[in-house]
Amino acid sequence: KAGVTQTPRYLIKTRGQQVTLSCSPISGHRSVSWYQQTPGQGLQFLFEYFSETQRNKGNFPGRFSGRQFSNSRSEMNVSTLELGDSALYLCASSLGGSGFEKLFFGSGTQLSVL
Amino acid sequence: QKEVEQNSGPLSVPEGAIASLNCTYSDRGSQSFFWYRQYSGKSPELIMFIYSNGDKEDGRFTAQLNKASQYVSLLIRDSQPSDSATYLCAARPGTYKYIFGTGTRLKVLA
Repeated sequence: KAGVTQTPRYLIKTRGQQVTLSCSPISGHRSVSWYQQTPGQGLQFLFEYFSETQRNKGNFPGRFSGRQFSNSRSEMNVSTLELGDSALYLCASSLGGSGFEKLFFGSGTQLSVL
Repeated sequence: QKEVEQNSGPLSVPEGAIASLNCTYSDRGSQSFFWYRQYSGKSPELIMFIYSNGDKEDGRFTAQLNKASQYVSLLIRDSQPSDSATYLCAARPGTYKYIFGTGTRLKVLA
């Protein structure tokens, strides 16, 4: 079974630009969540999607947005990039129930904002 | 106050010893707890999860949960150099999100 696939693996952008990251979950998984990981803050929750609906979101500005498609693939968009947005962005998939769900992470997209 | 707190370490233990990793959480509504291991440059991978008070054992790993004290721990017996990694504790407050601690870096010395 293929794992969680994130593309691209690396991105270099400049301040003010926008970026779109992609995540394909494990087959059969309907929940996709996104996390930002930085050395100082650790893993911070961005948002979670299930069946094309955002069920929860973290405390990030509106510049961070996402969506999920009918095949469960998800995209995350960051507009008007700032230097502080440089981070590893991880996507995780799970079945999407309310029980004791296990998250399976992709390899991440390393974003550098210059 | 962070919702899930861990000592950042590094925690250094000799090979063969028991490594004890600790985590506290603030949301009493959290129902389940997870330990993820993250090697440098890699993504987190699940080691164990626990949702009942007490101990849960899986091979060399034991997770412990004390909901009254809002405390979760992970014990690694017979630590190996390959266990050297950052260990992330996560709580699930039941609202379709996970709250992660910043992780404890473990170094097992050969």
